[in-house]
Amino acid sequence: AQKITQTQPGMFVQEKEAVTLDCTYDTSDPSYGLFWYKQPSSGEMIFLIYQGSYDQQNATEGRYSLNFQKARKSANLVISASQLGDSAMYFCAMIPLGSQGNLIFGKGTKLSVKP
Amino acid sequence: NAGVTQTPKFRILKIGQSMTLQCTQDMNHNYMYWYRQDPGMGLKLIYYSVGAGITDKGEVPNGYNVSRSTTEDFPLRLELAAPSQTSVYFCASSPLGAGGRETQYFGPGTRLLVL
Repeated sequence: AQKITQTQPGMFVQEKEAVTLDCTYDTSDPSYGLFWYKQPSSGEMIFLIYQGSYDQQNATEGRYSLNFQKARKSANLVISASQLGDSAMYFCAMIPLGSQGNLIFGKGTKLSVKP
Repeated sequence: NAGVTQTPKFRILKIGQSMTLQCTQDMNHNYMYWYRQDPGMGLKLIYYSVGAGITDKGEVPNGYNVSRSTTEDFPLRLELAAPSQTSVYFCASSPLGAGGRETQYFGPGTRLLVL
C-alpha cells in the first residue's frame, strides 16, 4: 500500500532559523513524484516543491529545499531563514507515476515560527 | 485566468439533505479531482476524472456522486448528507495526471457542516 508518514504533528522554529520537516513514504512503484504543499490558516493549498524519483539532484525552490534520500524513502522539507509567514500546515504528498495522478497525502505538520 | 473555482465557500446542511458542490477550471486540464480534508488530517481522494465523460472512484467515494459532461466542470453531489461528511472539500485539476512535476492546481475549498 502507498503511504505517506509525517511524524511531527507540530514544530516550533525561531524566526530566521532553518527547520526540517520530516516525510517518509512507502510505495512499490519504481517511478513516483513527491510534493510539498503549504496550507495557511486561510485554507488554500499552495504548491512549494517537487522531486521526481529519478531526479539526480535534490530539488530547490528559493528558501525551500527537499532532502531526498531514496534508499531511506525519505523526502524531508528544509525551510531556510524562517519567516513569520511560514507559520502554516505543511503536507507531504506522493503521486505514483503509474496512477491516474491523484495525490496521496500525509497528515501534515503544523509549523509555528516564533519572533 | 481564474484557475480552479469552487462554490459555495461555506454551507450548512441538515442531515438527509442533498447538495452539489461546484468546481470549474479554465485551464483546459483533462484531469480533475475531488478531495476531502477532515480536521487535523491530510486530503483524501473522493472521485477523479481523466476527461469529459470519464470518472472513477477514489479512496472514500461512499455518499458521493460525480459527473463530467465538459472539460471545465466537475460537480460533486452529496446525497442524503450525514454528519460524517462534515469536512472541507477541495477540487483540483492537472494537465498531465501523473506526468511529473506538473502540479495539481487546487481550488480554495468548500467548508461543509452537516448538522
